[in-house]
Amino acid sequence: KAGVTQTPRYLIKTRGQQVTLSCSPISGHRSVSWYQQTPGQGLQFLFEYFSETQRNKGNFPGRFSGRQFSNSRSEMNVSTLELGDSALYLCASSLGGTSVTDTQYFGPGTRLTVL
Amino acid sequence: AQKVTQAQTEISVVEKEDVTLDCVYETRDTTYYLFWYKQPPSGELVFLIRRNSFDEQNEISGRYSWNFQKSTSSFNFTITASQVVDSAVYFCALSGEGQGAQKLVFGQGTRLTINP
Repeated sequence: KAGVTQTPRYLIKTRGQQVTLSCSPISGHRSVSWYQQTPGQGLQFLFEYFSETQRNKGNFPGRFSGRQFSNSRSEMNVSTLELGDSALYLCASSLGGTSVTDTQYFGPGTRLTVL
Repeated sequence: AQKVTQAQTEISVVEKEDVTLDCVYETRDTTYYLFWYKQPPSGELVFLIRRNSFDEQNEISGRYSWNFQKSTSSFNFTITASQVVDSAVYFCALSGEGQGAQKLVFGQGTRLTINP
């Protein structure tokens, strides 16, 4: 079974631009979560999507948004980029059960550099 | 609020030594889940183990073992006879039930270096 894939793997943008990252979950997984990893703040939860609906959200400004498609693929968008948005963005997928926490499997990440 | 603390920022040992990575957590949930992930230099988080709050049985998988103690809110990870390939950053994580079921709260990570 193929793992979680993320594209692109590397991105360089300038302040003020916007960026879209893509994540394809493991086949059969309906939940996709996004995390930001920085040296200062560590790994932080951004949001989770299940059946095309945002089910949970972390403490990030509205510049960070996402969506999920009917095939469970997900995209996240960051508008008006700031230097502090430079990070490794990790996507994780899981079956998505609500009564039991499923194991989340992570993709290789997209490394975003904002200049 | 949930919190995970990994007090050891970096550990360096010589190959074949045993090493224990500490993890202490805080949560008000009665049902919760604990995880360990490994992050090699490539960046991808690799799942190692999941434990729920009702299962305090220790687990061993090859050279890896985990000790879950609810009384001290700890979920420690031991690597026996460490190898150079074990070098990575290791993260302990916690999640709850219901709406928070898919939200992982991570510790700051422990960078483990195994020297030949």
